[in-house]
Amino acid sequence: DAGVIQSPRHEVTEMGQEVTLRCKPISGHNSLFWYRQTMMRGLELLIYFNNNVPIDDSGMPEDRFSAKMPNASFSTLKIQPSEPRDSAVYFCASSSSGTVYEAFFGQGTRLTVV
Amino acid sequence: AQKVTQAQTEISVVEKEDVTLDCVYETRDTTYYLFWYKQPPSGELVFLIRRNSFDEQNEISGRYSWNFQKSTSSFNFTITASQVVDSAVYFCALTFTGGGNKLTFGTGTQLKVEL
Repeated sequence: DAGVIQSPRHEVTEMGQEVTLRCKPISGHNSLFWYRQTMMRGLELLIYFNNNVPIDDSGMPEDRFSAKMPNASFSTLKIQPSEPRDSAVYFCASSSSGTVYEAFFGQGTRLTVV
Repeated sequence: AQKVTQAQTEISVVEKEDVTLDCVYETRDTTYYLFWYKQPPSGELVFLIRRNSFDEQNEISGRYSWNFQKSTSSFNFTITASQVVDSAVYFCALTFTGGGNKLTFGTGTQLKVEL
């Protein structure tokens, strides 16, 4: 089975532009997570979904960030407008839910906002 | 609130040495789960192990072993006979029952294994 698939792997954009990151979770997993990794803040959870419903978005930094999960096999994280401080690696992860299961991570999207 | 502390920012060893990566956690939950992930230079996060708070048995998987001690709130990771391919950043993480599998990560330990 394929792992978590993220696209694009790398994104360079200009400040003020809209950026959309995409994620396909592992088939059968019903929890999906978006994490951000920076040197300053490490790995931090932005939002997570359970059965396509956003459960906790307290980590979303501000209104410029939004995430959707229209179906069980696809999620997006959108930044509009982007700013240089949004530069980071964004990871998507998925897991089974019910009891605690390990999360499997995608390869990440390295975002650079210039 | 939950917290994971990895006090070792960077460790350098020579190949074939044993190395232990420390992880100390804080939680008020009585049921919780601890994890280790590996992030090699290629950047992906690779799951290594999950341990629940009721299982204090040490675990060994090949050259990897984990020591969980509730008395000291620690979940340390030892690599025996380290190899260059072990060079990576290693993260310890924590979640709790009812937490939705949300992970709280430590800041990571960069392990460099040299010839």
